[in-house]
This record gives sequence, C-alpha cells and structure tokens, in this order.
Amino acid sequence: GAGVSQTPSNKVTEKGKYVELRCDPISGHTALYWYRQSLGQGPEFLIYFQGTGAADDSGLPNDRFFAVRPEGSVSTLKIQRTERGDSAVYLCASSLIAGPGNEQFFGPGTRLTVL
Amino acid sequence: QKEVEQNSGPLSVPEGAIASLNCTYSDRGSQSFFWYRQYSGKSPELIMSIYSNGDKEDGRFTAQLNKASQYVSLLIRDSQPSDSATYLCAVNPNDYKLSFGAGTTVTVRA
Repeated sequence: GAGVSQTPSNKVTEKGKYVELRCDPISGHTALYWYRQSLGQGPEFLIYFQGTGAADDSGLPNDRFFAVRPEGSVSTLKIQRTERGDSAVYLCASSLIAGPGNEQFFGPGTRLTVL
Repeated sequence: QKEVEQNSGPLSVPEGAIASLNCTYSDRGSQSFFWYRQYSGKSPELIMSIYSNGDKEDGRFTAQLNKASQYVSLLIRDSQPSDSATYLCAVNPNDYKLSFGAGTTVTVRA
C-alpha cells in the first residue's frame, strides 16, 4: 500500500502565526511518531502515539507544540506562536506496532520556514 | 555525551570500493539498531536493521553489531554513485523512539 504521507510539503509562515502539519500513516500501523530534523543533524524525537493516545511527548520542546491523533490514524502536529527557531523539517513515521525491533518508516516531511 | 555518535565525513570512496561507516551509542540497554539512507532534500529511508551481535547481510549492505563495545557499523560493497547520500545510524534505547546520529555523508566517485 501507500507509504506515510505528509501535508503540506512546504509551509512558510510569519513569526507568531499558528500552523498545523498533517501526517497520514501507513494503513494498519498503530504506532505514529513525530520527529524534527534541522540542517546537518539527525532527526530528533518529538512525540509518539500508540493508537489515539500520546504515549510519550517528552520530546516536545515547549507548550507551544501539541499533537493529536483523534481516531488512531491521521495525526496533526500543531505549533502556536511560531518562532524562527521552529524552522526545520518535520518528519512523521509509523510502525506496525511499538516494541522491540519496530521498524519505523518515514514520510516525505514538511519543511517549515518561519520568517 | 551524545547518545549516538557518527563520523560526519564526508567519506569519499571510488566506485566499486567498500564504504565503511561506524556508529557508537551510549545506552548499553539498547536492543535494536537501524541504518537509514537519506538523499539530499529527501526523508530517511530504512535500509538495514540488526538486533543480534554479528553480521547481517542484505545485498551489497552488511550491518555489524557488537553490543559489548556498543558499536554498530555498515559496509557498502561495490559502491555505486547512487549510494552517494547521508547514512544515519539509529538506536532504539527504549523500544519505541529512535535516537539518531548526525549522519555520515558518503560520496562515491565515478
């Protein structure tokens, strides 16, 4: 089936604005992850969902960041009062289950630019 | 100390040669290890996973794991120009989230 999809592919916004980034995981995958990748760095973990609940949100940098997955499939990452430092590529990944050896498959990412 | 460390490179190898990439990790309890390939401007693509000490081969790729030394490596045999990319080492320290190194950039010279 189709891989992980993310929309939009690019988002340019102004400092202080609100943005939503969407992720549609691989069909049947119960675990969903958000990562953030800055230039020259590896992806950094933000939040992990098992089903509808956020099992671990310890990677969210502050309370301006929030994510939901209301029906256990599509997830939305929400960023309030954006700052220039939020500019990065936001990656979503999914895996069949969460657990030892779970292979995570990444979507194409959303490149967020905050002016 | 970073959780996962890789040489940033760039690693330049001639076409047909073996490219050797190294990765060390700090969490001794880690059980799952992955190599991702990332082309410029693209997202990471899973190419290898390894869970037990020793070697695991898949086509031209061989992953090697030594948990006692907290070391994992990736060999690319018969390197091709299409192998030119950044290779990310990822470690599963607690069964769900991945910790990534900064990546090693590989350039294969034709």
